[in-house]
Amino acid sequence: QSALTQPPSASGSPGQSVTISCTGTSSDVGGYNYVSWYQQHPGKAPKLMIFEVNKRPSGVPDRFSGSKSDNTASLTVSGLQAEDEADYYCSSYAVSNSFGYVFGTGTKVTVL
Amino acid sequence: EVQLVESGGNLVQPGGSLRLSCAGSGFRFSDYWMTWVRQAPGKGLEWVANIKEDGSDKYYVDSVRGRFTISRDNARNSLYLQMNSLRAEDTAVYYCGGPMMFSRVDYWGQGTLVTVSS
Repeated sequence: QSALTQPPSASGSPGQSVTISCTGTSSDVGGYNYVSWYQQHPGKAPKLMIFEVNKRPSGVPDRFSGSKSDNTASLTVSGLQAEDEADYYCSSYAVSNSFGYVFGTGTKVTVL
Repeated sequence: EVQLVESGGNLVQPGGSLRLSCAGSGFRFSDYWMTWVRQAPGKGLEWVANIKEDGSDKYYVDSVRGRFTISRDNARNSLYLQMNSLRAEDTAVYYCGGPMMFSRVDYWGQGTLVTVSS
């Protein structure tokens, strides 16, 4: 049950964009449109930001967008704001995983 | 407003047991899969277990299978995690989450800390 691969860190200045990748295999990210993204501030619970690759729950700003190409999903945060500084985790349905789901390793986004 | 409130976290010795509870409100609890996710100190998120709407299907991550049991009481809008034979590596904040659909978890509790140490 290996985790999906994310870069440990990413950064950008206020107003800029940052993109985080989430790399898996054809048995998870590449095979299904069931990729979700979560934001987690220090000491807080995760918050759903994107589901089914590119859908936003009600209340999530449209500065957050998701996409997928082959075995890699991406989360883009446009117009970075100070409150976007947080850890971000992807997750995917995983048919080869006996549990059925897998998280990414997590990416710390810093707003410079 | 959807709320998930966990309880039951504590300090326990290796080999001991603990039961976590999660009370849900603000949504039709009995209509959805629910899940437990944990986060060891300074580490990432890890799926632990999930359970079908009526409790008939349950799935566990390999590291807890045979030691942890997920259950639910839809009449009480409650989710549980019975943890036996606890190990130091089970030390984590445990989050209750749901509704859950595929890898999507709409809402999360505030978490409850389980510390396994002698």
